[in-house]
Amino acid sequence: NAGVTQTPKFQVLKTGQSMTLQCAQDMNHNSMYWYRQDPGMGLRLIYYSASEGTTDKGEVPNGYNVSRLNKREFSLRLESAAPSQTSVYFCASSESWGRGYSPLHFGNGTRLTVT
Amino acid sequence: SQELEQSPQSLIVQEGKNLTINCTSSKTLYGLYWYKQKYGEGLIFLMMLQKGGEEKSHEKITAKLDEKKQQSSLHITASQPSHAGIYLCGAGVLGSQGNLIFGKGTKLSVKP
Repeated sequence: NAGVTQTPKFQVLKTGQSMTLQCAQDMNHNSMYWYRQDPGMGLRLIYYSASEGTTDKGEVPNGYNVSRLNKREFSLRLESAAPSQTSVYFCASSESWGRGYSPLHFGNGTRLTVT
Repeated sequence: SQELEQSPQSLIVQEGKNLTINCTSSKTLYGLYWYKQKYGEGLIFLMMLQKGGEEKSHEKITAKLDEKKQQSSLHITASQPSHAGIYLCGAGVLGSQGNLIFGKGTKLSVKP
């Protein structure tokens, strides 16, 4: 049982390059999330998908796009990377969405550096 | 403004000592979660508290929820080096649109 799997684990980009972070979960969860973690800022929500076929903006969506490919997979795309997007990105999933009643299960993160 | 405040920001304890980490919300809580993170790894779910007065334990870690105070505490008894890491609280709060927000974390070091 792998849980939440993120690829790649590490990535270095140059300013202006694009890339897609992949995330897959095998727990049959309905909801999926992308967070970024920065020193002194904690975890901040970028986008989420409450259920298959829906996506919504979180706290810091600018510069990102997402795709809920199917129930298992939720990808995060940086169209034109900027140094401010240097961060650790976490994908998470939960059984259901709303009111904080369902714990999130996290992947191991992608460490992205934009030079 | 930070809606979930954790204290202390960092903590160094001698192995075998007890310790407490606090998480305080400025808004009404809907579910409070504790996670542990080791450097370079993801967040590991520890426990979930939903009702005021609720208390849960896992091995030597106990968490309590004081709904009136909008606060949760995480208590570790007889700390061990394996307890070292960053502890984060997450919560659904009024106005967070159903999503979890997180505190900035408490870094725990345990000296052998």
